[in-house]
Amino acid sequence: DTAVSQTPKYLVTQMGNDKSIKCEQNLGHDTMYWYKQDSKKFLKIMFSYNNKELIINETVPNRFSPKSPDKAHLNLHINSLELGDSAVYFCASSPQTGSGGFLEVGDTQYFGPGTRLTVL
Amino acid sequence: GQNIDQPTEMTATEGAIVQINCTYQTSGFNGLFWYQQHAGEAPTFLSYNVLDGLEEKGRFSSFLSRSKGYSYLLLKELQMKDSASYLCAVRDSNYQLIWGAGTKLIIKP
Repeated sequence: DTAVSQTPKYLVTQMGNDKSIKCEQNLGHDTMYWYKQDSKKFLKIMFSYNNKELIINETVPNRFSPKSPDKAHLNLHINSLELGDSAVYFCASSPQTGSGGFLEVGDTQYFGPGTRLTVL
Repeated sequence: GQNIDQPTEMTATEGAIVQINCTYQTSGFNGLFWYQQHAGEAPTFLSYNVLDGLEEKGRFSSFLSRSKGYSYLLLKELQMKDSASYLCAVRDSNYQLIWGAGTKLIIKP
């Protein structure tokens, strides 16, 4: 009954390869996110989807392409992997985007376990 | 630009009290969150402040002063399991979460 799940948990691959990370949430949330956490532990948002539509697309290389087949899934595909892509990637979900009201804690984010990507 | 500042690392003794500070400069403010992240694990939600004052939740309390752009997380009766990183995040005027780099808290016996 895992709330937010990601696969794989570990991913080791060569430079130049293409890989995908999958994320699924069974919380019925409308919004899903991808974060990158580098070696300095800084959590940086990459993408956000609300009901399968892209709402945040931070400055990330276009080698990264998110895909949301339905609102319970948000997958991340990475082309032509580079050494600098090595990091932990977290998927997260929240009930809404925060437009519900000033006092709502609605966009409390629930994180998946993370995928540790190592590019050799 | 938008900025969240937290100390990089703090050390405290088991059973003691520790205060982790967070200052922020963001385009608008719609709430401040504290998350806990144990090594190798995902961040988990601890607290939320949107009005000035203290929010208490068991051993953990969080304080907010919007006029000063300042918050702190107070942890009482520290336990070894509290060793973790504590992340401060602010929701800006666009309802986006801006994250601090986190404070690594080390608890010593």
